[in-house]
Amino acid sequence: EAGVAQSPRYKIIEKRQSVAFWCNPISGHATLYWYQQILGQGPKLLIQFQNNGVVDDSQLPKDRFSAERLKGVDSTLKIQPAKLEDSAVYLCASSLVQTGYTIYFGEGSWLTVV
Amino acid sequence: QQQVKQSPQSLIVQKGGISIINCAYENTAFDYFPWYQQFPGKGPALLIAIRPDVSEKKEGRFTISFNKSAKQFSLHIMDSQPGDSATYFCAASYLNNNDMRFGAGTRLTVKP
Repeated sequence: EAGVAQSPRYKIIEKRQSVAFWCNPISGHATLYWYQQILGQGPKLLIQFQNNGVVDDSQLPKDRFSAERLKGVDSTLKIQPAKLEDSAVYLCASSLVQTGYTIYFGEGSWLTVV
Repeated sequence: QQQVKQSPQSLIVQKGGISIINCAYENTAFDYFPWYQQFPGKGPALLIAIRPDVSEKKEGRFTISFNKSAKQFSLHIMDSQPGDSATYFCAASYLNNNDMRFGAGTRLTVKP
């Protein structure tokens, strides 16, 4: 079974530039998550989708972050404009259902803002 | 934001020893407590999990001990091996959604 796919794996941008990350969840998984993991910290949920609808985006900095999940499969997370403190690993994850508990993570997209 | 506190931040254990990582949570509504293992450059992977209706769960060399009254749970790794060297995260979530709250992580090093 293929895992959660993410791209790009690494990205370096200057502050105030924009960046987009792409995620393809495990086939058949209805729930998709984006987490932010700052170096030395645990992952923090940014947004949760159930199919193509947003379940929880309370911790998403909406002035600069946006995410969408068209057709209930792939998802894109965008940051515009980026700040230095956005340097982190952005982890996409998926689960079979919203209350399925087992969440499968991708390898992450490493962002460095300089 | 931090609803799960994890300790220690780092841990060094000799091969064959027991590794113990502790977590404490605040919200009594949490009802699912997983542990994730993360190797460098990889995403976290579910290691073992427990529900609050049991006090202990064992899978191979990995055991979760759960103390509901103290709002604490811990991971014990028996016969620790160098291949167990990784960062371990405890987490907690609710019954009706998967909004997982993670601890800050423990970097485990097992020396040969």
